[in-house]
Amino acid sequence: EAGVAQSPRYKIIEKRQSVAFWCNPISGHATLYWYQQILGQGPKLLIQFQNNGVVDDSQLPKDRFSAERLKGVDSTLKIQPAKLEDSAVYLCASSPRTGGRLNTEAFFGQGTRLTVV
Amino acid sequence: AQSVTQLGSHVSVSEGALVLLRCNYSSSVPPYLFWYVQYPNQGLQLLLKYTTGATLVKGINGFEAEFKKSETSFHLTKPSAHMSDAAEYFCAVIVDTGRRALTFGSGTRLQVQP
Repeated sequence: EAGVAQSPRYKIIEKRQSVAFWCNPISGHATLYWYQQILGQGPKLLIQFQNNGVVDDSQLPKDRFSAERLKGVDSTLKIQPAKLEDSAVYLCASSPRTGGRLNTEAFFGQGTRLTVV
Repeated sequence: AQSVTQLGSHVSVSEGALVLLRCNYSSSVPPYLFWYVQYPNQGLQLLLKYTTGATLVKGINGFEAEFKKSETSFHLTKPSAHMSDAAEYFCAVIVDTGRRALTFGSGTRLQVQP
């Protein structure tokens, strides 16, 4: 079974530029998450999708961050314009579905390391 | 509100020694609890999880954790450390709201000395 795919692995941009990250979840997984992991901290949820609908985006800085999951499969996370404090690893994860005591595990991609200079 | 506290941002043990990584949670409802491991430049890999049933949970690579409701703890242990265990370990919690998003602790970096 193929895992969660993310690209690019690394990205360096100047502040005020824009950047986009791509995620392809595990086939058949209805739920997709984007997390931000700042150096020395645990991952923090940015947005959660169930199929192509947003379940939770309460911690997404909507003035500069946007995300979409067209057709309920792949997802793109965009930052425009970037700030220095956006330097972090952006992790995508997927899980089979929400609800029920089983299938609670989230599977993570390798992440995209963003450096804003 | 739910939160996770990991005591000790860095833990160093000798190869062959006991590994103990501490995690305490706060939750108003019975949580689901997880330990994930992160190797350098990698994503997170699930070590073990507690959702219901037996409070002592065994995971991969010889790790185990015990859910203690009275202490609101879910500490991770391994009887004998191996050099390959050196990594960052994250405790995480899900409150049964149906959304299933993980809330992570700040992580503990485990060093294993030869």
